[in-house]
Amino acid sequence: DQQVKQNSPSLSVQEGRISILNCDYTNSMFDYFLWYKKYPAEGPTFLISISSIKDKNEDGRFTVFLNKSAKHLSLHIVPSQPGDSAVYFCAASFSGSARQLTFGSGTQLTVLP
Amino acid sequence: DARVTQTPRHKVTEMGQEVTMRCQPILGHNTVFWYRQTMMQGLELLAYFRNRAPLDDSGMPKDRFSAEMPDATLATLKIQPSEPRDSAVYFCASGLSVYGYTFGSGTRLTVV
Repeated sequence: DQQVKQNSPSLSVQEGRISILNCDYTNSMFDYFLWYKKYPAEGPTFLISISSIKDKNEDGRFTVFLNKSAKHLSLHIVPSQPGDSAVYFCAASFSGSARQLTFGSGTQLTVLP
Repeated sequence: DARVTQTPRHKVTEMGQEVTMRCQPILGHNTVFWYRQTMMQGLELLAYFRNRAPLDDSGMPKDRFSAEMPDATLATLKIQPSEPRDSAVYFCASGLSVYGYTFGSGTRLTVV
């Protein structure tokens, strides 16, 4: 049973527009959420995170929103750039899990020039 | 620039053979993970060490997979015997906390 779900395997957006990547989770014990970005033939790299005590965290062009009641988080990229084309993984953890990360299946973002 | 080093980058082996993947975590990191990436499941946690002690290996098929940290500079993931369904990219990650886990570039395993 997947505790972290990314239901969209792929997303295409035009350069300059907003990219919105979505993630749902089922385990209400999760209290920390992260987004990782992965290019082909490389390992995932940390992008942005959010604690469950917040509902928004922003870092430059990247903003993560958390809706605890809906068990949903999203990553907004504005404006999208061709270099943002990658697979984006949502991940979650809770303190009782010794902080291991549970990942979603990923969304391939393609930003079209 | 500190990085997690994984070897080999690619491995092709025949079914039934033993496969050993190695990981050199970043110096000073006390937490090491092994993940497997497949098309269907995304990134699956296989095993997890803190201060070289295994904390969780419930994601591993115990009959064929084993993970060890013989010292602080080396983590190994072994598959014996390997099967075609083990074909995937295996990632090692290290860190001090969930806020800063760094992944290696992975070992792409193909079992034919």
